[in-house]
Amino acid sequence: KQEVTQIPAALSVPEGENLVLNCSFTDSAIYNLQWFRQDPGKGLTSLLLIQSSQREQTSGRLNASLDKSSGRSTLYIAASQPGDSTTYLCAVSGVDSSYKLIFGSGTRLLVRP
Amino acid sequence: NAGVTQTPKFQVLKTGQSMTLQCAQDMNHEYMSWYRQDPGMGLRLIHYSVGAGITDQGEVPNGYNVSRSTTEDFPLRLLSAAPSQTSVYFCASSLEGGQGGHNEQFFGPGTRLTVL
Repeated sequence: KQEVTQIPAALSVPEGENLVLNCSFTDSAIYNLQWFRQDPGKGLTSLLLIQSSQREQTSGRLNASLDKSSGRSTLYIAASQPGDSTTYLCAVSGVDSSYKLIFGSGTRLLVRP
Repeated sequence: NAGVTQTPKFQVLKTGQSMTLQCAQDMNHEYMSWYRQDPGMGLRLIHYSVGAGITDQGEVPNGYNVSRSTTEDFPLRLLSAAPSQTSVYFCASSLEGGQGGHNEQFFGPGTRLTVL
């Protein structure tokens, strides 16, 4: 059974710092991996989606990498800003059920001004 | 496009009551799903649908029913609410679900349900 783990559960950094969030999964037979942000009281906003054949995706200050063989993904945030403060969720879908997402429990990020 | 919409935003029920959580999308997405999110846990899949007339169970389906009569709507029914169903419910949709599809999923704002 696929399990997704996110470490750390919470992180506090000063503004301007570069940071890395980690996501690991137990079954490497994934179809894709998606990173979301979840703002309090709101839904999930997709940040980056990496297909299983890809190694990384970039969007602005965000870069997500994928290493399927080791079951790991990282989300790199450059030059962090207070607006980056939120909860980040990682989710994977399996090759046999590409539309079902298995989520980690999230990393809560606080960027201090 | 409004994207994925959910109603109501908040709901309080008494044990044993029934209700329907509404979900609609205007992106002509084939795939729709329902997740619940409990404190300290990731989202867990309740039910999903790969197209109108087709539904299937996810990880935690007990106590919930779904139907998909149109592409746009995917309501979630609680038959007899229990305190264990207190949670935040999210609806999601994607263009395709199968192999070769670009199945980036889009989520609604959620319904916060409390069962007393």
